[in-house]
Amino acid sequence: DTAVSQTPKYLVTQMGNDKSIKCEQNLGHDTMYWYKQDSKKFLKIMFSYNNKELIINETVPNRFSPKSPDKAHLNLHINSLELGDSAVYFCASSYLFYEQYFGPGTRLTVT
Amino acid sequence: QKEVEQDPGPLSVPEGAIVSLNCTYSNSAFQYFMWYRQYSRKGPELLMYTYSSGNKEDGRFTAQVDKSSKYISLFIRDSQPSDSATYLCALKGTASKLTFGTGTRLQVTL
Repeated sequence: DTAVSQTPKYLVTQMGNDKSIKCEQNLGHDTMYWYKQDSKKFLKIMFSYNNKELIINETVPNRFSPKSPDKAHLNLHINSLELGDSAVYFCASSYLFYEQYFGPGTRLTVT
Repeated sequence: QKEVEQDPGPLSVPEGAIVSLNCTYSNSAFQYFMWYRQYSRKGPELLMYTYSSGNKEDGRFTAQVDKSSKYISLFIRDSQPSDSATYLCALKGTASKLTFGTGTRLQVTL
């Protein structure tokens, strides 16, 4: 059974398009996260939700909008994609703050 | 200066070697220290967690924290090819988030 799943795994799109990435966890965790990992492997938090409530909102362009329909799902919608948005986006969930379970990542390429 | 500095490597060692991976940090508010391992094209997974200065051992892995020097280390004994991965340190202070290092890529050769 997959603990944290993301779709799609790969996303290739053109500048200016709008796209969404979906995340689901079946671990019963209350907290979910979105991270961005750039080409140099730097992993940075973007958003965090606890029981559907936004608790972390880092300095992220407002083209990025997370949505948590329930505590098992956290989606990420990106408007007007730019070249600099190309990265791997990871969803994660946790019960204990230090043990975060990461999904397999969504590799976004903006051309 | 980044809050957390980590040598990106790559670090190449022969099988059986002892590996030392390190991070330094600047913010004394960091109180919790973690090491995550990330295999190629996979998400990171927690390897070790500690919150106090000193050593914590788990099998072939030892995490070491020196809060006075703001320096953390991960030692891997008897390294195996399956240890080949990127190792990320992660730190937490009073904020709700983890701050990750840039990761060190380790290659263990036969």
